[in-house]
Amino acid sequence: EAQVTQNPRYLITVTGKKLTVTCSQNMNHEYMSWYRQDPGLGLRQIYYSMNVEVTDKGDVPEGYKVSRKEKRNFPLILESPSPNQTSLYFCASSSYQGGDEQYFGPGTRLTVT
Amino acid sequence: KQEVTQIPAALSVPEGENLVLNCSFTDSAIYNLQWFRQDPGKGLTSLLLIQSSQREQTSGRLNASLDKSSGRSTLYIAASQPGDSATYLCAVDHNTDKLIFGTGTRLQVFP
Repeated sequence: EAQVTQNPRYLITVTGKKLTVTCSQNMNHEYMSWYRQDPGLGLRQIYYSMNVEVTDKGDVPEGYKVSRKEKRNFPLILESPSPNQTSLYFCASSSYQGGDEQYFGPGTRLTVT
Repeated sequence: KQEVTQIPAALSVPEGENLVLNCSFTDSAIYNLQWFRQDPGKGLTSLLLIQSSQREQTSGRLNASLDKSSGRSTLYIAASQPGDSATYLCAVDHNTDKLIFGTGTRLQVFP
């Protein structure tokens, strides 16, 4: 089954404790990205990657890092989480930059206290 | 800057009604437009994808249309059911590196 998986699905952590949210897709997609969703603000892109070793900032990259060492994986790293990073996070992938359907993971609900 | 707006923000209808959700965008230079469904606290489920060269797409009781020149898309839901209750999001693929989302229409279908 074609899918995008994220782990963990739920995470409660404390300010400053480094964490990683994993994202993996099994569709051999080149393009992957991360979004966060906040009430009243909708979905906003954090980072994206057009292929292995190619990443770029989205609209709200501050406080986040990503890496793309393998085509299937695109982890989101919060080096020093803060309460304003409490949000619902989604990973997405598609076969190329434009024109193709984007597939979304189930989401990771992160709470930073 | 591309902006996407969805109207209405919320909609409550009795079961069986046909309904239309609206999405408008400010820049017609898009690659495609995608409609998603989101259940509370859950992920996004892709419903329909309309390429910029297409006028409409259909899937079951859902029909989405696209008018690029006027910057509009509509999602038509026929014979609505309580199971259709969710938030519906439209998103445009504008400059190939991200989707730009509308703020969504929260739909409630009551029995």
